[in-house]
Amino acid sequence: DGGITQSPKYLFRKEGQNVTLSCEQNLNHDAMYWYRQDPGQGLRLIYYSQIVNDFQKGDIAEGYSVSREKKESFPLTVTSAQKNPTAFYLCASSIGLAGVETQYFGPGTRLLVL
Amino acid sequence: QQQVKQSPQSLIVQKGGISIINCAYENTAFDYFPWYQQFPGKGPALLIAIRPDVSEKKEGRFTISFNKSAKQFSLHIMDSQPGDSATYFCAAGKGAQKLVFGQGTRLTINP
Repeated sequence: DGGITQSPKYLFRKEGQNVTLSCEQNLNHDAMYWYRQDPGQGLRLIYYSQIVNDFQKGDIAEGYSVSREKKESFPLTVTSAQKNPTAFYLCASSIGLAGVETQYFGPGTRLLVL
Repeated sequence: QQQVKQSPQSLIVQKGGISIINCAYENTAFDYFPWYQQFPGKGPALLIAIRPDVSEKKEGRFTISFNKSAKQFSLHIMDSQPGDSATYFCAAGKGAQKLVFGQGTRLTINP
């Protein structure tokens, strides 16, 4: 089955702790994205990557970091600098070509602060 | 310039009725306008999308209407069913660049 997997489904973070959310895709897509979803605020872009070893900040990158060492993987680290990390985190991917903009989303990870 | 404004925030429709969700954008360079459907606890999934060279696109019970001069587009769900109850997001983008999403509409279809 082709698709996007995110793990874990639920993640708990303690104060001052960094946590990493996993995102893997086997769609052979070049572009990958991380979004944060809060009630009533839609999807806000954290980081995106259009090619391996390159990524750009989105609208709310502060307190987050990413890496893109492999085409299939785009992990997101929520650092202790992110003071309000409780949210639903969504990873997405797309082919990355003009005319083929469809983004495919993973099932999400819900991050909760203890 | 990059915002997409979506309304209403929530909508309740009787079974068999028409659900209408509206979006407005500012950036005239946008050339791709998708609608996504999201069920609770799941990731969004593409429902239907339109480009500005057409004014309407229909897929089954779902129709996008596009008004380029007004910079608005809307989703119409005909014969709404309880299974359509979900959150709907409009979005806009240009080429292969990042999408800008609206705030979402929580749709409830009463049986």
